Amino acid sequence: NAGVMQNPRHLVRRRGQEARLRCSPMKGHSHVYWYRQLPEEGLKFMVYLQKENIIDESGMPKERFSAEFPKEGPSILRIQQVVRGDSAAYFCASSPYTPTALTEAFFGQGTRLTVV
Amino acid sequence: AQKVTQAQTEISVVEKEDVTLDCVYETRDTTYYLFWYKQPPSGELVFLIRRNSFDEQNEISGRYSWNFQKSTSSFNFTITASQVVDSAVYFCALSGAGNMLTFGGGTRLMVKP
Repeated sequence: NAGVMQNPRHLVRRRGQEARLRCSPMKGHSHVYWYRQLPEEGLKFMVYLQKENIIDESGMPKERFSAEFPKEGPSILRIQQVVRGDSAAYFCASSPYTPTALTEAFFGQGTRLTVV
Repeated sequence: AQKVTQAQTEISVVEKEDVTLDCVYETRDTTYYLFWYKQPPSGELVFLIRRNSFDEQNEISGRYSWNFQKSTSSFNFTITASQVVDSAVYFCALSGAGNMLTFGGGTRLMVKP
């Protein structure tokens, strides 16, 4: 019964390169959430996805960032043309579907992105 | 809009002392959940507790206890007889409709031997 799996755990990119972060939710979970934690700060919501749908992207920067959760395969958070300010820990969480829409979210171990 | 405030950015105690981490929240939702997470130096997020807005009973789990007071919108966390292994950053979080979590800024707890 694997938990939420994120890879890679650590990612180093040069300025201007692309970063792709992957998140495999827990088995049976159809909701995925991405959060960003800047150094010495709390986590900030970025985007909420269900399979093949973006439900809420109110926390996503307007440019360079995109996310998807295809029918098959992991959810991907993509950052194009990375800048030093993108250096952060990116956490993924998943939860099952329930009618009440209030359930516990299970977090992955995070991907630490360093832009050099 | 939801908001979670952890006014204590850093607390330092000596081992075996009791320590309380404060959390105050704001929400317009009538149904919501409150959480505490621990983030040790290794960086992962460790789930500690979830409490729904209809359950104001205090909870105790070993050395950990939580005091939820809806009247003051607070959900405080107490560690009794602290240990060095408790040293970490602790986050309080709030979720409403949609399950997105709003996190506080965290409290860094340092327990010295």
